[in-house]
Amino acid sequence: KQEVTQIPAALSVPEGENLVLNCSFTDSAIYNLQWFRQDPGKGLTSLLLIQSSQREQTSGRLNASLDKSSGRSTLYIAASQPGDSATYLCAHTGGGNKLTFGTGTQLKVEL
Amino acid sequence: GAGVSQSPSNKVTEKGKDVELRCDPISGHTALYWYRQSLGQGLEFLIYFQGNSAPDKSGLPSDRFSAERTGGSVSTLTIQRTQQEDSAVYLCASSLGTGRSIEAFFGQGTRLTVV
Repeated sequence: KQEVTQIPAALSVPEGENLVLNCSFTDSAIYNLQWFRQDPGKGLTSLLLIQSSQREQTSGRLNASLDKSSGRSTLYIAASQPGDSATYLCAHTGGGNKLTFGTGTQLKVEL
Repeated sequence: GAGVSQSPSNKVTEKGKDVELRCDPISGHTALYWYRQSLGQGLEFLIYFQGNSAPDKSGLPSDRFSAERTGGSVSTLTIQRTQQEDSAVYLCASSLGTGRSIEAFFGQGTRLTVV
């Protein structure tokens, strides 16, 4: 069974701090890995997509890396803001084509 | 449309009734997914459609759940004889297809409450 684990489950940081969210997966044959954010009561917003042949992707203050050999991805958020408060989910696509999701990290950025 | 659209946004139904949830994918997207998110839980895969291929129904929790995708576009998820444990947010996503560079986009979800 493919498993995706996210650590920590919850994180609270002061505004302005840089932070790293971790995602571990057991499927070594993934096609790509995608990071999403989910605000309370809302759907998922796609943040970054990393193809299996890539090492990282950047968008604004966000940087996602992928190490397929070790089964790990990280999402780096620079200069965190209260508006970054949300649940962050990683998910990968493999041969079965469906997205397999992690358990999520609930982030709170405090003033 | 500009994004994935789901309707209704909220649905309250009595136990034992049937419900239909609708998903309008992004125009041109051939892949469509349904997921379920129960309170405090992760996302649970339900069903996947890709073009004219037979759907992957491996995630449907029971035979009370079914889904259709007409004309390769709009999809309807039907839950028959609803139970309280069916209460959850049902999320739909679409993508251009499958493969290594395909990004999935999600709708806002339908919150189903079975009373």
